Amino acid sequence: GQNIDQPTEMTATEGAIVQINCTYQTSGFNGLFWYQQHAGEAPTFLSYNVLDGLEEKGRFSSFLSRSKGYSYLLLKELQMKDSASYLCAVGYSGAGSYQLTFGKGTKLSVIP
Amino acid sequence: ETGVTQSPTHLIKTRGQQVTLRCSSQSGHNTVSWYQQALGQGPQFIFQYYREEENGRGNFPPRFSGLQFPNYSSELNVNALELDDSALYLCASSLEDYGYTFGSGTRLTVV
Repeated sequence: GQNIDQPTEMTATEGAIVQINCTYQTSGFNGLFWYQQHAGEAPTFLSYNVLDGLEEKGRFSSFLSRSKGYSYLLLKELQMKDSASYLCAVGYSGAGSYQLTFGKGTKLSVIP
Repeated sequence: ETGVTQSPTHLIKTRGQQVTLRCSSQSGHNTVSWYQQALGQGPQFIFQYYREEENGRGNFPPRFSGLQFPNYSSELNVNALELDDSALYLCASSLEDYGYTFGSGTRLTVV
């Protein structure tokens, strides 16, 4: 089966750093994605990790440990516009298709 | 690139009815996937089409069906609507297996 866990909600202060954790147990693994989703909008791609380690992209960084089934998304210099849901998703290839299994998302509230 | 567009944006249907949702994929993308996102949940994989053929399906009953056309557009059809089908339906297109681009979704309400 597929199981992806991430915290339901987090609150952080503008200008601060926040880390959103994600643990996964999946029957297959072919990459881990992080998406940002504002209320009522489409998920937008933030990062992709397929090898262990840290990927940095501006204010956003994502880390992966495949042996631990663990990833985190790090957001630096938080801005009010970063208030959104952050979705962790595991990609895997099966039965001829490539699928994403998503966690339930972490709703991040950035306060002044 | 024109992105992924979905129509309609909102829809209200009655239980038992049928609905068709439409998606126009990003130009050149030959793979389209459909996801269902219930309120407060992450998206769930419904199925994927590659070059007009279904090549993967999630845990959804046969009353969920789809089509993909040569012009990169696609449809999601749901028959015999149930109250639990109320959700945001997302279309995502890609050229390779990775790098999905999501549309903004269709909010379906079944009453």
